[in-house]
Amino acid sequence: TQLLEQSPQFLSIQEGENLTVYCNSSSVFSSLQWYRQEPGEGPVLLVTVVTGGEVKKLKRLTFQFGDARKDSSLHITAAQPGDTGLYLCAGARAGSARQLTFGSGTQLTVLP
Amino acid sequence: EAGVAQSPRYKIIEKRQSVAFWCNPISGHATLYWYQQILGQGPKLLIQFQNNGVVDDSQLPKDRFSAERLKGVDSTLKIQPAKLEDSAVYLCASSFGGVAPQHFGDGTRLSIL
Repeated sequence: TQLLEQSPQFLSIQEGENLTVYCNSSSVFSSLQWYRQEPGEGPVLLVTVVTGGEVKKLKRLTFQFGDARKDSSLHITAAQPGDTGLYLCAGARAGSARQLTFGSGTQLTVLP
Repeated sequence: EAGVAQSPRYKIIEKRQSVAFWCNPISGHATLYWYQQILGQGPKLLIQFQNNGVVDDSQLPKDRFSAERLKGVDSTLKIQPAKLEDSAVYLCASSFGGVAPQHFGDGTRLSIL
């Protein structure tokens, strides 16, 4: 059973557009991470959010952790072709020996 | 710093055959993870080691999958016998442990014919 639902599953946009990816769960997480994975490579950590309501910015990427620590969003401003990839959210639950539960991912394609 | 090394990168076998994957974590990382990533899905944890001990293997299909990390450094994951549904990318990750971030290797892509 997948505890983290990501939406949309696929997203294809033009360069310069903005987009938001959502990660939702009925479970509470002590922290939530966002990864980007490119074909033939392993996931690469983008950010970790740990506090309910926390907002982190990484250049054109803005990450938000929900107040109840059950959901998160990733917003990309002025998307570029280099942003293309599979975006994965992963939650860690308290006392779970730092084990991560991954969402099913959002495949983003940014067209030039 | 060298990353997590995995081999082979690709493997094609027939069902009912056996296969083994190897992982060398980042130096000094005590915790090692094996994940299975089926096409179109996120990675699913199979087993977690802390040094040479198993922390959690609750999602490892133990009738056919086995893993070891005998000296607390590199690790092997074995499937015997393989089934069609085992076709996936097998990812290895390592970390210092606790809340330290996990670093992933590039995975082994396994195809079962």
